[in-house]
Amino acid sequence: LAKTTQPISMDSYEGQEVNITCSHNNIATNDYITWYQQFPSQGPRFIIQGYKTKVTNEVASLFIPADRKSSTLSLPRVSLSDTAVYYCLVGWADRGSTLGRLYFGRGTQLTVWP
Amino acid sequence: GAGVSQTPSNKVTEKGKYVELRCDPISGHTALYWYRQSLGQGPEFLIYFQGTGAADDSGLPNDRFFAVRPEGSVSTLKIQRTERGDSAVYLCASSLGQGAREQYFGPGTRLTVT
Repeated sequence: LAKTTQPISMDSYEGQEVNITCSHNNIATNDYITWYQQFPSQGPRFIIQGYKTKVTNEVASLFIPADRKSSTLSLPRVSLSDTAVYYCLVGWADRGSTLGRLYFGRGTQLTVWP
Repeated sequence: GAGVSQTPSNKVTEKGKYVELRCDPISGHTALYWYRQSLGQGPEFLIYFQGTGAADDSGLPNDRFFAVRPEGSVSTLKIQRTERGDSAVYLCASSLGQGAREQYFGPGTRLTVT
């Protein structure tokens, strides 16, 4: 599985947009990019997944450039409750794939201040 | 609906003892995963079940660790001759199928070996 590199920590203030960039230079053709969020004492929670260009859902956007060697998770107008660890993962996610394991790395601790 | 549940939530045991950790996946999810998370680290893959069989057990650290899923739903992670280094949060996740879009995580079992 392709490994990822992301900042260890980031700080923001309420109401700001936060962009967390992840690099994955060795991403393979079949790999999808997935982001998970984890609060203390909870298991990770799926946020968003994409393959190329841009994906948007009700909580975040994911920007993936053409070479797919990096991706950026964008959280609009963060609140205090967005304080969490955010993980960028790269791997297969197609139905029918034989690989189910996820490689998490250390993630990015996002702290949102009032 | 009910999410992934894990019991016990906390387990304290003495070095050398045997422990069992239980995971109840979301009903209908055929894929089940075990991860281990140490303080300040991301979850680390242990084993992946598709139905009753272990499709990938390459993450189990040694032969003291074993997991079963006899009827394709509930799974038990078994650790023999526990060591202090086994102390961690053990997370279980389930998904609709192998390589599915999302894995749904339980709250974890915090294992402390004294």
